[in-house]
Amino acid sequence: EPEVTQTPSHQVTQMGQEVILRCVPISNHLYFYWYRQILGQKVEFLVSFYNNEISEKSEIFDDQFSVERPDGSNFTLKIRSTKLEDSAMYFCASSEGERSSGANVLTFGAGSRLTVL
Amino acid sequence: QKEVEQNSGPLSVPEGAIASLNCTYSDRVSQSFFWYRQYSGKSPELIMSIYSNGDKEDGRFTAQLNKASQYVSLLIRDSQPSDSATYLCAVNMYQAGTALIFGKGTTLSVSS
Repeated sequence: EPEVTQTPSHQVTQMGQEVILRCVPISNHLYFYWYRQILGQKVEFLVSFYNNEISEKSEIFDDQFSVERPDGSNFTLKIRSTKLEDSAMYFCASSEGERSSGANVLTFGAGSRLTVL
Repeated sequence: QKEVEQNSGPLSVPEGAIASLNCTYSDRVSQSFFWYRQYSGKSPELIMSIYSNGDKEDGRFTAQLNKASQYVSLLIRDSQPSDSATYLCAVNMYQAGTALIFGKGTTLSVSS
């Protein structure tokens, strides 16, 4: 079964450093997403990406964050100057887009755990 | 404001019982509703989707949607210890484009 692949599975970084999280979405999917989940809290939407540009973003996705699709397969999330509160699990997801029923089913990767010290 | 509300639980049921999980959402024009399951330390995994008012059954799972009441529920029949997880309600809200907005999740514990 096709899956969304994320690397690294766990990254430890020092406060103030830049981090890049990588994702390989399912190959025929058109929409890409980043979510984060702080330990014990809910899954929070960060950003959606379609046709090589951001389509939606939440209040969390400020100038510290950026996304890029540098080639035909990878989708990256860059966090500049990390803060302690950026420690979380970051999930990448992808979807085909709206199906005939009008729904957009997201498939999630296994996540990248970021620890900021 | 885009909100999806769930009781955090824990909801404890004995093996073989029916577990009932509930969710309300704030955006009246929402069209698509999803239940995901999340095991501790793992990613969300889709269980069911529902788009029309009424019931939708898939094996031991039944999703129920009432758009007038802005309410969606998930019933798990013949609950098994392997069903013990956090169940996340997710809603595609108009203002969020194609993204899903998640509730905090309800933790289900099934005892053998």
